[in-house]
Amino acid sequence: EAQVTQNPRYLITVTGKKLTVTCSQNMNHEYMSWYRQDPGLGLRQIYYSMNVEVTDKGDVPEGYKVSRKEKRNFPLILESPSPNQTSLYFCASGRGAQYFGPGTRLLVL
Amino acid sequence: RKEVEQDPGPFNVPEGATVAFNCTYSNSASQSFFWYRQDCRKEPKLLMSVYSSGNEDGRFTAQLNRASQYISLLIRDSKLSDSATYLCVVTTDFSGGYNKLIFGAGTRLAVHP
Repeated sequence: EAQVTQNPRYLITVTGKKLTVTCSQNMNHEYMSWYRQDPGLGLRQIYYSMNVEVTDKGDVPEGYKVSRKEKRNFPLILESPSPNQTSLYFCASGRGAQYFGPGTRLLVL
Repeated sequence: RKEVEQDPGPFNVPEGATVAFNCTYSNSASQSFFWYRQDCRKEPKLLMSVYSSGNEDGRFTAQLNRASQYISLLIRDSKLSDSATYLCVVTTDFSGGYNKLIFGAGTRLAVHP
């Protein structure tokens, strides 16, 4: 079954404690991206990756890092989370029509 | 001005009703268009692509007007299960193969018995 998986699904953390949200896809897609979704603002792209080892900033990259060492994996890293990064995060893969992971709800206290 | 604008709703309609959602986009270079559906607290899922000639998938019809930079989605014979938020999505290709998706904030539909 074609899918995008994310972990963890829910996370409560404190300001400054580094965390990583993993993302994996089994569709052999070159293109992957991360979004955050906030009420009234819709989905905003954080980072994207056109292929292995090639990543670039989206619209809201501040406070985030990514890496793409393998085609299937695209983790999102928050080195020092802050409360304004409390959000719902989605990983997606594919160009044009994208497949989304189930989402990660993050609360930063 | 937002790059993709939608009426946030909510649209409250009875079962069996026909409902239409509109979406406008600001970048005339946009090349691909989609409607996604998002259920509460779930991930967005592709509902249908939107083609220049208009296209239909069962009870759903999508239209594109490039001159007016306007996209629409028509749902006929609404079902309770159609209750969701509908996201208008526009893509633009940039040099180097980068394909950017811009999402509207979504239109909420509530279908009641």
